[in-house]
Amino acid sequence: QVQLVQSGTEVKKPGASVKVSCKPSGFTFTSYAITWVRQAPGQGLEWMGWINTYSGDTDYAQKFQGRVTMTTDTSTSTAYMDLTSLTSDDTAVYYCGRVDCSGTHCANWADPWGQGTLVTVSS
Amino acid sequence: EIVLTQSPATLSLSPGERATLSCRASQSVSSSLAWYQQKPGQAPRLLIYDASNRATGIPARFSGSGSGTGFTLTISSLEPEDFAVYYCQQRTNSWTFGQGTKVEIK
Repeated sequence: QVQLVQSGTEVKKPGASVKVSCKPSGFTFTSYAITWVRQAPGQGLEWMGWINTYSGDTDYAQKFQGRVTMTTDTSTSTAYMDLTSLTSDDTAVYYCGRVDCSGTHCANWADPWGQGTLVTVSS
Repeated sequence: EIVLTQSPATLSLSPGERATLSCRASQSVSSSLAWYQQKPGQAPRLLIYDASNRATGIPARFSGSGSGTGFTLTISSLEPEDFAVYYCQQRTNSWTFGQGTKVEIK
């Protein structure tokens, strides 16, 4: 079964960093890109960026430039999203999604999605 | 940044009724538009990609249409499990999501 499994709930203090992992199973890791979105409580989906696991290329939403880093570890077939300088506004559920790619050419949608990781930022 | 505007914000309908959801882009996205369904506490689920193609396992009652700046998601006859929030998403110029349409039971 094709799925993405994310790391567990995180509670962080303002100013700290968080690293969320996303581990694919049931498909070849390097044939896809991984995109990340977040959803604040009661709000809609907000795109953060993505990483092409084949080329290593990344594209980050302007809002998160300088604060987010997306990486992959091919030895463990795991994708990571690192967000620094956390504030209470970063309290959200963070989702990773798989994007079909053929080399550097990728689809315009994501499927499937991980189960989500709740990150709470509170003093 | 391309802005996606969904309407209405909330749609109150009964099971068996037809649902028509709209997504308008601030500039052309060609056919690079997807629709997702999200239920409380769950991850998004892909319904439609490239404006009109149903994803694997999606029932035929879901259909998508449109191109350029105007798109529609139609649910021909609402089933109880279809009451949820629906988002459109584009990837022509970076990625953006619409703000969502909630389909609720009337």
